[in-house]
Amino acid sequence: DAGVIQSPRHEVTEMGQEVTLRCKPISGHDYLFWYRQTMMRGLELLIYFNNNVPIDDSGMPEDRFSAKMPNASFSTLKIQPSEPRDSAVYFCASGGGTQYFGPGTRLTVL
Amino acid sequence: AQKVTQAQTEISVVEKEDVTLDCVYETRDTTYYLFWYKQPPSGELVFLIRRNSFDEQNEISGRYSWNFQKSTSSFNFTITASQVVDSAVYFCALPQGGSEKLVFGKGTKLTVNP
Repeated sequence: DAGVIQSPRHEVTEMGQEVTLRCKPISGHDYLFWYRQTMMRGLELLIYFNNNVPIDDSGMPEDRFSAKMPNASFSTLKIQPSEPRDSAVYFCASGGGTQYFGPGTRLTVL
Repeated sequence: AQKVTQAQTEISVVEKEDVTLDCVYETRDTTYYLFWYKQPPSGELVFLIRRNSFDEQNEISGRYSWNFQKSTSSFNFTITASQVVDSAVYFCALPQGGSEKLVFGKGTKLTVNP
């Protein structure tokens, strides 16, 4: 079975641009999570969904960040406008009980 | 609130040595799960194990073993006869009470030298 799929794997953009990260969870998983990893702050949970409904978005840093899950097989994390401090690796994970992580998207904002 | 402490920031060993990674946690929950994940240099996060607090038996999987001690709130991970491919950052994690939200430790970077 395919694992969690994320795209793009790498994204380089300029400050002020809109960035959209995509995630396809493992089929049948009820939960979907978005994390951010940086050297300074480690792994941070940004938001998670249960059955496509956002449950906890307390980790979303500010209004520039938004996440959607229009159906059980797709989610997006959008940053608009992007800033250099948003540079990080963004992971999507799915599961219920145990979380399985995607390969991550390395975002660089210049 | 839940807290996970991995006091060892970095460990370096020579191949074939045994190595133990420590994990100490805090929780007010009476039942809970504990997790270990591996992050190799390639960057992905790989699930290793999930243990229920009801089950204090040690778990062994090949060269990997886990020692869960509820009395000391520890869930330590031992690699026997380490190999270069074991080089990675290892994270211990615990769900925040009543939710699916995982609280991660800061990780231990293990380097296994040939």
